[in-house]
Amino acid sequence: NAGVTQTPKFRVLKTGQSMTLLCAQDMNHEYMYWYRQDPGMGLRLIHYSVGEGTTAKGEVPDGYNVSRLKKQNFLLGLESAAPSQTSVYFCASSLTTGTSGRKYEQYFGPGTRLTVT
Amino acid sequence: AQSVTQPDIHITVSEGASLELRCNYSYGATPYLFWYVQSPGQGLQLLLKYFSGDTLVQGIKGFEAEFKRSQSSFNLRKPSVHWSDAAEYFCAVGAFGGSQGNLIFGKGTKLSVKP
Repeated sequence: NAGVTQTPKFRVLKTGQSMTLLCAQDMNHEYMYWYRQDPGMGLRLIHYSVGEGTTAKGEVPDGYNVSRLKKQNFLLGLESAAPSQTSVYFCASSLTTGTSGRKYEQYFGPGTRLTVT
Repeated sequence: AQSVTQPDIHITVSEGASLELRCNYSYGATPYLFWYVQSPGQGLQLLLKYFSGDTLVQGIKGFEAEFKRSQSSFNLRKPSVHWSDAAEYFCAVGAFGGSQGNLIFGKGTKLSVKP
């Protein structure tokens, strides 16, 4: 099992450019999440998905879009990158079966470090 | 609204010393609680979790945590710290309401280990 993988690991963008971050999981998890991590801010939820074809906004969704066309993949898009989007982005996934607490047990990818100049 | 507080931003301990990282949460009912560890340049790894039952839970790497309802706390402990434990530690609580599995994270405590 590879678990949760993220592509790319690093990226540098110029202001106004667009890009897509890819998250893939091979654990057959229903729920998937995108976070950003900034110094002193902890992790903040951008968007999440409770199943294929469904997405929802988290705490800081502005400037980002997501898609979940396949159960195992969750894409995060930046249409017009801004320096404020310089951050480390983490994807996570969790199960929905078993005890009710299991859906909160999230497994994280290694992260993508994005710099917008 | 639910929240998680980690009062200590940075803690330094000597190798071999004991460790306690504090976590307080605000939530009316019994929460689902987690501790994650993040080594430099890495993703978050689940250390341990509390769902119900025994209030002292054991995790990986020799860590344990105790749920104290009366104090709304879920402090992480280790009896003897190793240099490889230097990392950032995050406490999290499952967000109540809705069917999704959203977590609310504390802002983290960075642990440094002195030789």
